[in-house]
Amino acid sequence: SAVISQKPSRDICQRGTSLTIQCQVDSQVTMMFWYRQQPGQSLTLIATANQGSEATYESGFVIDKFPISRPNLTFSTLTVSNMSPEDSSIYLCSATGGPTDTQYFGPGTRLTVL
Amino acid sequence: RKEVEQDPGPFNVPEGATVAFNCTYSNSASQSFFWYRQDCRKEPKLLMSVYSSGNEDGRFTAQLNRASQYISLLIRDSKLSDSATYLCVVNEGGDYKLSFGAGTTVTVRA
Repeated sequence: SAVISQKPSRDICQRGTSLTIQCQVDSQVTMMFWYRQQPGQSLTLIATANQGSEATYESGFVIDKFPISRPNLTFSTLTVSNMSPEDSSIYLCSATGGPTDTQYFGPGTRLTVL
Repeated sequence: RKEVEQDPGPFNVPEGATVAFNCTYSNSASQSFFWYRQDCRKEPKLLMSVYSSGNEDGRFTAQLNRASQYISLLIRDSKLSDSATYLCVVNEGGDYKLSFGAGTTVTVRA
């Protein structure tokens, strides 16, 4: 199994600012993902974080708004740029070793934008 | 149409009861199926994978019906600690990406 940590665990930010969330996995993994979970809703995939190349974004999410880095096999960052109150959500990273492997989740970052 | 749909509940059951709920998926080519559990303000955690022949893990039984494109979860002898949101999760194409249902909330009362 993989143990995933995220920083910060929560933050309250002002409109128009940006926040970078860090995700660290305790072992090398093949794939890392970023999800958003809005209040009372399920998880929505934002993007796949590709090691050494640009992330692959899902429909409705763009790089300018959610730039992602993955410099190595155990670490990734998600930036929420030019935030608005609609960005208030829980952001979770996940990781898996393979398509049939369990996907493990970090504890999430609870973001509130005022 | 959502890719994965679940009855949101809530299912309020007494301790010791049996509770069951379903999930439907839209993509007939979906390959892998899972139930995750999410406690309040926590991350989702894998409860069990769902296999074509159905599978059991202690008090939990999962079934897959490919013809009707639904998955079920049954919890026997419910415990207070089973109170959570159960997420139906589908891997549509074997490319690592998962689609999540909105979750079914179960509350077990003493």
